[in-house]
Amino acid sequence: DIQMTQSPSSLSPSIGDRVTITCRASRNIDTYLNWYQQKPGKAPQLLIYAASSLQSGVPSRFSGSGSGTDFTLTISSLQPEDFATYYCQQSYSAPRALTFGPGTKVDIK
Amino acid sequence: VQLVESGGDLIQPGGSLRLSCTASGFSVRGTYMGWVRQAPGKGLEWVSLIYSGGTTYYADSVKGRFTISRDDSQNTLFLQLNGLRAADTAIYYCATSLRPALKRHYAVDVWGQGTTVTVSS
Repeated sequence: DIQMTQSPSSLSPSIGDRVTITCRASRNIDTYLNWYQQKPGKAPQLLIYAASSLQSGVPSRFSGSGSGTDFTLTISSLQPEDFATYYCQQSYSAPRALTFGPGTKVDIK
Repeated sequence: VQLVESGGDLIQPGGSLRLSCTASGFSVRGTYMGWVRQAPGKGLEWVSLIYSGGTTYYADSVKGRFTISRDDSQNTLFLQLNGLRAADTAIYYCATSLRPALKRHYAVDVWGQGTTVTVSS
């Protein structure tokens, strides 16, 4: 099975900071990588699909990059509404497995 | 476009429960439908999915205990949970992708609000 890791597990940036979250797959997943944002008590929301495609309605300060095993989610200038937990998800081994990463919590500094 | 789950409850270990997810604004038979769960304070886990043609898949952690099904006439997705364990305690979300580009990547753009299953004696 493909394992997903994320780093860091948490961070405490300031408003306006550039934030980078890394997701790593245990083997090649091409660009079958999605990113979600989840706020407390809410369902996740899709940000990025296919590693770098921005979901409709998502602010352009969010971007994704990478292929193979290493991927990055970048928030170019952190806004107050961006404090949340971020998850990556691989779909390379779909439908047998659709694995999420453990999450990265972006906390208020 | 909306998904509304129901059926979550407090249940004893070994018990059974059926979760429902009613869709509006689209047909559940027109796309894959699935369930994702989240244990308290933990991350997300895909539990099961069903394709338009009826083919089903399950996570190893629930295989043989959970059954996913669909009633097209009611536009509703179900998840039958049997042999429940404390480790099954979670919020269960109904989930799907509607746009073709998202379907190809199993990128979920429609989520329900979640229904809570608590397994405890």
